[in-house]
Order: sequence, then structure tokens, then C-alpha cells
Amino acid sequence: AQSVAQPEDQVNVAEGNPLTVKCTYSVSGNPYLFWYVQYPNRGLQFLLKYITGDNLVKGSYGFEAEFNKSQTSFHLKKPSALVSDSALYFCAVRDGEGNYQLIWGAGTKLIIKP
Amino acid sequence: GAGVSQSPRYKVAKRGQDVALRCDPISGHVSLFWYQQALGQGPEFLTYFQNEAQLDKSGLPSDRFFAERPEGSVSTLKIQRTQQEDSAVYLCASSSRGGYGYTFGSGTRLTVV
Repeated sequence: AQSVAQPEDQVNVAEGNPLTVKCTYSVSGNPYLFWYVQYPNRGLQFLLKYITGDNLVKGSYGFEAEFNKSQTSFHLKKPSALVSDSALYFCAVRDGEGNYQLIWGAGTKLIIKP
Repeated sequence: GAGVSQSPRYKVAKRGQDVALRCDPISGHVSLFWYQQALGQGPEFLTYFQNEAQLDKSGLPSDRFFAERPEGSVSTLKIQRTQQEDSAVYLCASSSRGGYGYTFGSGTRLTVV
């Protein structure tokens, strides 16, 4: 069965420090992986995706993620956190074999402290 | 349009009332999805359209939920005889053929009182 795990409910980081939000997945076939961010009372905003190609993917607002096939992970990273990065982050996966349904993680609340 | 548009933005319904939620996807996007999101949780899949065909409705929680996309563009999610447990944010997303990227609307927050 396809699944996504975000093992941390909340991540606290000081402003200016690097941040990592973890995501692991299980999917049959080749994975298509996505990160979305959600601010309060807002819809989901696309950050980045991995479909194929380079394992390191760069996205919006300075975020990047690394696809690691052996560890089935797709952790979200940013070298220097901003207070404005505080939000709810979701990892999602679908298999590349034709099933269009996205499977979502439970979300990680990222809090950046000044 | 430039993005996915959902209306209304907020809806308060009395228990037992019927509601209709609208989604206007990005022009030309073949795929359309409805998700339900409870507070502080990830989205839960409800249903999927490819053009006007509803290919997957396995996530609809009961037969009170019904979705349609008659002309392959605008979609409506209808909930009959609303219950308190239907209170959630209903998200619509659309995608071009291939499903390489999904654009979400801002959602409709439904509160059943």
C-alpha cells in the first residue's frame, strides 16, 4: 500500500539556522514526490516536486529537497530559516504508473523563532 | 483562469441542509480532484475526474456526497443532509494530463451547526 510518513508533528528552528522537515514514503513503482506549504486559512501552495532526474530538487522560497531512493526519503531543507517560513508543511507522493491520486503525510508544523 | 477558484470561501450550514461547493479549475486542466481536510491534518482524497468522467470516487465518505463535472471544466461537490462530522475544509485541485503538478484552490471551509 502507498503511504507517506512525516515523523515529526512539529519542528522548531531558530531564525537563520538550517531546517529539515522529514518525509519517507512507500509506493509501488517510481515515485512522484511533492512538497506543499499551507499558511493559516489558506490553500496548499506548491513548493517543489521530484519526478525524475537530479536527486536534489530546488523549489520556491529557497527550499530544496533530496530524493533518496535507497532510504525512500524526500526531506525538505532550507539553509537559513526565516520567521515567515513558519507554516504547515505536507509531503505527498503518487506512483508514476498512472494512479493520479496523491497520498499525503499528516503534516509537520514548522516554527521559526526570531 | 490563472488559478483554481473555489466558492464559497466559507459556508455555514444547519445540520440536515444540503450544500453545493464549486470548483473552477485552471483552463485546460484535464484532471480534477476533491479533497477533504480536517483541522491540522493532511488532505484526504474524495474523488477524481478526468475531463467529465469520474474515474475514482472511492474516497467519498457516504452516499450523501456527490460530485459532478458535466462539461469537463467546472465541478460541484454536493453534500446532502449535512452532519456535524462533515465540517472540514474542502479542497479542489487540478492538473494537466500527466499529473506532474497539482494546483490547489483556497478551499471552502464548511461548518455544520
